Amino acid sequence: EIVMTQSPGTLSVSPGERATLSCRASQSISSNLAWYQQKPGQAPRLLIYGATTRATGIPARFSGSGSGTEFTLTINSLQSEDFGVYYCQQYNYWPPKYTFGQGTKLEIK
Amino acid sequence: EVQLVQSGAEVKEPGESLKISCKASGYTFPSYWIGWVRQLPGQGLEWMGIIYPDDSDARYSPSFQGQVTISADKSTTTAYLQWSSLKASDTAVYYCVRHSRHTPLGVLIKPDFFPNWGQGTRVTVSS
Repeated sequence: EIVMTQSPGTLSVSPGERATLSCRASQSISSNLAWYQQKPGQAPRLLIYGATTRATGIPARFSGSGSGTEFTLTINSLQSEDFGVYYCQQYNYWPPKYTFGQGTKLEIK
Repeated sequence: EVQLVQSGAEVKEPGESLKISCKASGYTFPSYWIGWVRQLPGQGLEWMGIIYPDDSDARYSPSFQGQVTISADKSTTTAYLQWSSLKASDTAVYYCVRHSRHTPLGVLIKPDFFPNWGQGTRVTVSS
């Protein structure tokens, strides 16, 4: 099983600043990585796929980078509505062996 | 517009059976893989399994193989997740999810991400 490890567990950032979230895969997954945002009581929402491509309707302040085993989600000019838990997910194999990271909780200072 | 609308919250006792549903609309249901993700209380996301409605080919995470059954009905464009004997540890929110890619029968299948999610079904198992 590919283990996805996210860091930090919790991140506290002031509005207007930049947030940097990390995701590491236990083996190479090429660019087959997605990022999701989940707010309390809501279903997760797709932000990024293919490691770098923003999903439809996602603001340009969200950007993804990385390939292989190291990935980063960057949120520039943090807005108050960006709080929540962020998950990475790998989708590198068929038959499917999809796995999620344990999540990073982003708090707004 | 793609929509995945799940059935309502359930409260069950250990040992009971349960089948929850996910009604899909806005796309060609048979040729998109559709599956389920579990979220234990206060915890992260776990992929459970996925099914191709056109031929009912189902694939499971090893953690859930034999514990649940995923099915789909093309005539009602609905996917299902069922348990034959619930445990307290099945208490969670369950989300249905859909692959992004249209995959007609016979076309090479590629692993995928989930742009579409249902609203979640809360299942509580308690005596």
